[in-house]
Amino acid sequence: DTEVTQTPKHLVMGMTNKKSLKCEQHMGHRAMYWYKQKAKKPPELMFVYSYEKLSINESVPSRFSPECPNSSLLNLHLHALQPEDSALYLCASRRGTGPTDSGNTIYFGEGSWLTVV
Amino acid sequence: KNEVEQSPQNLTAQEGEFITINCSYSVGISALHWLQQHPGGGIVSLFMLSSGKKKHGRLIATINIQEKHSSLHITASHPRDSAVYICAGLLYNTDKLIFGTGTRLQVFP
Repeated sequence: DTEVTQTPKHLVMGMTNKKSLKCEQHMGHRAMYWYKQKAKKPPELMFVYSYEKLSINESVPSRFSPECPNSSLLNLHLHALQPEDSALYLCASRRGTGPTDSGNTIYFGEGSWLTVV
Repeated sequence: KNEVEQSPQNLTAQEGEFITINCSYSVGISALHWLQQHPGGGIVSLFMLSSGKKKHGRLIATINIQEKHSSLHITASHPRDSAVYICAGLLYNTDKLIFGTGTRLQVFP
């Protein structure tokens, strides 16, 4: 199983709503990532979890709240978002130990398309 | 200036042509990834390189550590190769990937 599964694929939410994006991998990877991607731009790193602990937060506004309940699951909780937060949200994972190929290959999910109205 | 630069930004080709996409980086990295993104959104990892050259089917990736430069070559290009190709460097001793700006490739029949 080399899949990173993201749900939902599409989400429309109002600015006062609370919703969550979910990401799962069952490859035993210890590093998990959230990226935000706007149209025709490369992905921008938001958060990195390493061994279920938040290791990198790229100064993301607090209306985005990540959570890693266990080694297979990564959530992104959304609250009071703005229309400019509409984007593709990508989850990724990596085994991440040492310089070997198997450690460094990164796997992406298909993404969750978020529209804030 | 971006820490990872790609060229060209856009590329069109006729089916069968040989294609080269270039990536230069100015930061210390432990590995360089070549990624492919189709319009549907999902990203697929094509190669992970820390040195030398790798080949997979019609795709070849090379990296020159001293010159901080990598190239992705596609031989006998096909319309299904049309996608955005992104290089990304894994910052040394971190979990952080720095992305290039991407190259949008269109291959026409």
